[in-house]
Order: sequence, then C-alpha cells, then structure tokens
Amino acid sequence: AQTVTQSQPEMSVQEAETVTLSCTYDTSENNYYLFWYKQPPSRQMILVIRQEAYKQQNATENRFSVNFQKAAKSFSLKISDSQLGDTAMYFCALSGNTPLVFGKGTRLSVIA
Amino acid sequence: NAGVTQTPKFQVLKTGQSMTLQCAQDMNHEYMSWYRQDPGMGLRLIHYSVGAGITDQGEVPNGYNVSRSTTEDFPLRLLSAAPSQTSVYFCASSYGGQALYTFGSGTRLTVV
Repeated sequence: AQTVTQSQPEMSVQEAETVTLSCTYDTSENNYYLFWYKQPPSRQMILVIRQEAYKQQNATENRFSVNFQKAAKSFSLKISDSQLGDTAMYFCALSGNTPLVFGKGTRLSVIA
Repeated sequence: NAGVTQTPKFQVLKTGQSMTLQCAQDMNHEYMSWYRQDPGMGLRLIHYSVGAGITDQGEVPNGYNVSRSTTEDFPLRLLSAAPSQTSVYFCASSYGGQALYTFGSGTRLTVV
C-alpha cells in the first residue's frame, strides 16, 4: 500500500520569507510520481509541482521548488518570497500504478 | 475545452435518499477517479476506473457505486445517503501513465 504523511497540520510564514513544507511517503513501486497541490478557499485543486521519481534533478516552478530524497522517501516543498496569495491548504500526493494517494494536508498562512 | 465537469456543485440530501453525482471529461482521458475530502483527512479515494467498463474500489468504497459505460462519464451513486457521507467530492481524470491529473471543481454534499 502507498502512504503519504504530512507531519505539519498548520504553518505560518511572514510575507517575503521562505517556508518549507514536509512530506514523507512509502511505496514499493519503482516508477512513480510525486506532487504538491494547492487548495485555496475556492477549493479548486491546483497543481504546484510534479516530480518524476526516476529523475534525480529536483523540480522547480518559479518560487516553488522541491527537495526530493528518494532513498529517504522524502519530498519537501520550499516556497520562496512567500506572497499573501500563497495562503492555502497544501497537499502532498503520490501516484504509481494506482490513482493519487494524498497526505492530510498542511494549512499555510502567509502573514503581512 | 471544458476539462472535468462535476454537477451539482452543492446538494442537500435527507438520510436514506439516493442520488448520483455526475462527472464528465472531454479530454479522452482513460483514467477517472472519485475522492472525498473531509476536514483533517485529506482526499481519500472512493472508486476509480482505468477505462470504459473497468472499475475498482479505492480506500473508502462502502456506500458508493460507480460504472463507466463511456470514456467521458464516470457517475458516482449514493444508494442510501447517510450523514457520514457529508463531504466534498472531487472527480479527477488523467491520460494513461502520464500522471497529469485534471480535477473537477467539487461537489459539496450535506446529508441531514
């Protein structure tokens, strides 16, 4: 069975600062994908970043980057220059031969 | 290109009533899945399908039925609604092994 664990239910960060959200996972598959999704109050699921497990290079998307440690099964999200619009729930997710498995989420608040 | 369309957006049911949540996609995606989102629980997989005529159970399938007669549609049926099924429901689709998921906007269901 695949599992995803997010150990930080809530976090806060000052505007313009950097914050890191943690995620660990477990899977027996060799080929899989890891994701971070953002869910604002509108409840829309927005893909932030996607990492293919066979790629060693960490994925980046503008202010968002990941630290993918395959051996440790760790997949943390770093948000640089935090903005008020980053306030949302963030979900880590894993997909292999079965559909997405999600963590329980981290509620991030960006404070002005 | 409409993406993934879920209807209705909101619904209130009485205990014991039945209803169908609709999900349709126009991207010719093979994979479709249903999730429920409860506070503090993340998104949990209810049922999924890897193609027309093929469905399988996810983590929390009890009380829900699905069928996949066409590639485009994947309805979720509640045969006898219970208060424990009060939740936000998301439908998602993806194309084969590319793991690029598109989510619907969700249905907020309340069972009283």
